[in-house]
Amino acid sequence: GENVEQHPSTLSVQEGDSAVIKCTYSDSASNYFPWYKQELGKRPQLIIDIRSNVGEKKDQRIAVTLNKTAKHFSLHITETQPEDSAVYFCAARSGYSTLTFGKGTMLLVSP
Amino acid sequence: DADVTQTPRNRITKTGKRIMLECSQTKGHDRMYWYRQDPGLGLQLIYYSFDVKDINKGEISDGYSVSRQAQAKFSLSLESAIPNQTALYFCATSPNDGTEAFFGQGTRLTVV
Repeated sequence: GENVEQHPSTLSVQEGDSAVIKCTYSDSASNYFPWYKQELGKRPQLIIDIRSNVGEKKDQRIAVTLNKTAKHFSLHITETQPEDSAVYFCAARSGYSTLTFGKGTMLLVSP
Repeated sequence: DADVTQTPRNRITKTGKRIMLECSQTKGHDRMYWYRQDPGLGLQLIYYSFDVKDINKGEISDGYSVSRQAQAKFSLSLESAIPNQTALYFCATSPNDGTEAFFGQGTRLTVV
């Protein structure tokens, strides 16, 4: 089955800096890669996703890049703000099956 | 707003007891899932159902069972709870193309 590795497990940045979280996947047939944000005590919520036929996608301060050859994808957050502090999960899906999640990255943005 | 609702939100139970966690959704999705979240381990899939007559084991199904009572309802049971099943449990739904998963608020279960 699919295996998703996520790094780093924790990331501390100063407000205004950029943050990058990286994930690798094992199944070359995976075709959908979402990112979820989970604030403390809340449910995970989708923030951005990318499909295998696209190399990059942006939504305001958030972007995701995908390298199918290397089987890795990354989340980029620019101009970080304290409200970006949360746990972020990457995931991958093969075909129309289920999502496999990474273990999560705790992002701490200090004012 | 269409949503995913879990009950109870918090539960403390004793070792050996049977417990059921319930999930209902108003999103009209056929696909429903149960995940377990432990610190540092991410979201692990317990069981999933792609329609009312379909039940599938996930990566950590041992010690759990499920029932899909209707399109909108999917319950998770722990037949004989043990302390290492103490965790945060999430129900989720998704469209049939398997894209965005919508999560419930979570159930925090403590087995003592």
